[in-house]
Amino acid sequence: GAVVSQHPSWVICKSGTSVKIECRSLDFQATTMFWYRQFPKQSLMLMATSNEGSKATYEQGVEKDKFLINHASLTLSTLTVTSAHPEDSSFYICSAPVGGNEQFFGPGTRLTVL
Amino acid sequence: GENVEQHPSTLSVQEGDSAVIKCTYSDSASNYFPWYKQELGKRPQLIIDIRSNVGEKKDQRIAVTLNKTAKHFSLHITETQPEDSAVYFCAAIKAGSGSARQLTFGSGTQLTVLP
Repeated sequence: GAVVSQHPSWVICKSGTSVKIECRSLDFQATTMFWYRQFPKQSLMLMATSNEGSKATYEQGVEKDKFLINHASLTLSTLTVTSAHPEDSSFYICSAPVGGNEQFFGPGTRLTVL
Repeated sequence: GENVEQHPSTLSVQEGDSAVIKCTYSDSASNYFPWYKQELGKRPQLIIDIRSNVGEKKDQRIAVTLNKTAKHFSLHITETQPEDSAVYFCAAIKAGSGSARQLTFGSGTQLTVLP
């Protein structure tokens, strides 16, 4: 099946700094990628839809100026958490659809903000 | 938009017994319903899915049923094994325009299979 990678797998940063997370489709092209956030013992919540060559679409309640998304190529989307705070600590997962319905998930990035 | 409700939130069964997890959805236009298994700290893994033109689908010990009229679908795991212990999420494709449609997840079920 299709492979989606994420980097880094985990990151620890100080409050106020910015963190960039990369999501790559390794063996297919993805014009769309999705970014999710998952807090402990909770479900995956869609944050935004990343569109290659155009602006991302953010879900209600997600600050677009805080969570910057760039989908510069057909295989790479990046999520930058700007001015991170402890409440941003979470598990961030990206996914890319293949064939319209099925989605392949990246391994996730564990962000801890001190 | 779509809303998916899932229950129970936790489920404990004895090894060898069956487990059933149920979900309901709100958007009658949703037509793809995957089920994911997620182990702690790992990505969700697709275990089975069903499309709205099918009422039931089975893959070895796992089956999914769909009732479009009632807008609910269920996951059935038979002959459970300790390695089935994980969090299970149902999901539905949110109907909308464009070629890539969004998944809406249920709240998850922590399944524990007791040896």
